[in-house]
Amino acid sequence: QVRLQESGPGLVKSSETLSLTCTVSGGSMNSYYWSWIRQSPGKGLEWIGYIYYSGTTNYNPSLKSRVSISVDTSKNQFSLRLSSVTAADTAVYYCARNYCGSTICHLYFDYWGQGTLVTVSS
Amino acid sequence: EILLTQSPATLSLSPGERATLSCRASQSVSSSLAWYQQKPGQAPRLLIYDASNRATGIPARFSGGGSGTDFSLTISSLEPEDFAVYYCQQRSNWPPEATFGQGTKVEIK
Repeated sequence: QVRLQESGPGLVKSSETLSLTCTVSGGSMNSYYWSWIRQSPGKGLEWIGYIYYSGTTNYNPSLKSRVSISVDTSKNQFSLRLSSVTAADTAVYYCARNYCGSTICHLYFDYWGQGTLVTVSS
Repeated sequence: EILLTQSPATLSLSPGERATLSCRASQSVSSSLAWYQQKPGQAPRLLIYDASNRATGIPARFSGGGSGTDFSLTISSLEPEDFAVYYCQQRSNWPPEATFGQGTKVEIK
């Protein structure tokens, strides 16, 4: 059973960089895409971006200028960096695995971490 | 950006009743739509993908339908554990993008 676990600071100061790591256990990262998604009362669920195990990335256009996702398959981890944060970035951040069928992967999410609350303070 | 509008915002039903949830897209997404269930304090759970395919381990009482801009999720007979918030989500191939609806809460009447 694949498990994902987010880790990182729960409090980040405004204008600084938010950094989170997702550790994957119970399965290999190979051949899968891995996403970050956040949820806030104001904006609901918002897809942030994904990374392929080989390092290819794609980001939500609304966040692209501030987001970076990286992967370290030797540690079974992938990470999120979001720069210049404001109060609007306060949310529960989830890491998730993109769904793959028998021949192709899609931008749906079949395994999720439990989520971690990140609060941006002024 | 494709917007998804879910209705109703809240659905009040009793166990054993049939629930029908709606999701409307601002432009055609073909069949590229999923449904998730979220309970308090938990991550969303994938129920349906590609509009009508049940994800692994999802009970047969959950079914999805529709294509283009109008989609539905039906729970044929509500079990106590089905009371939760349900989200629809569309995916775009290029540029790769995913957006979610604002959710429908199914509550006990």
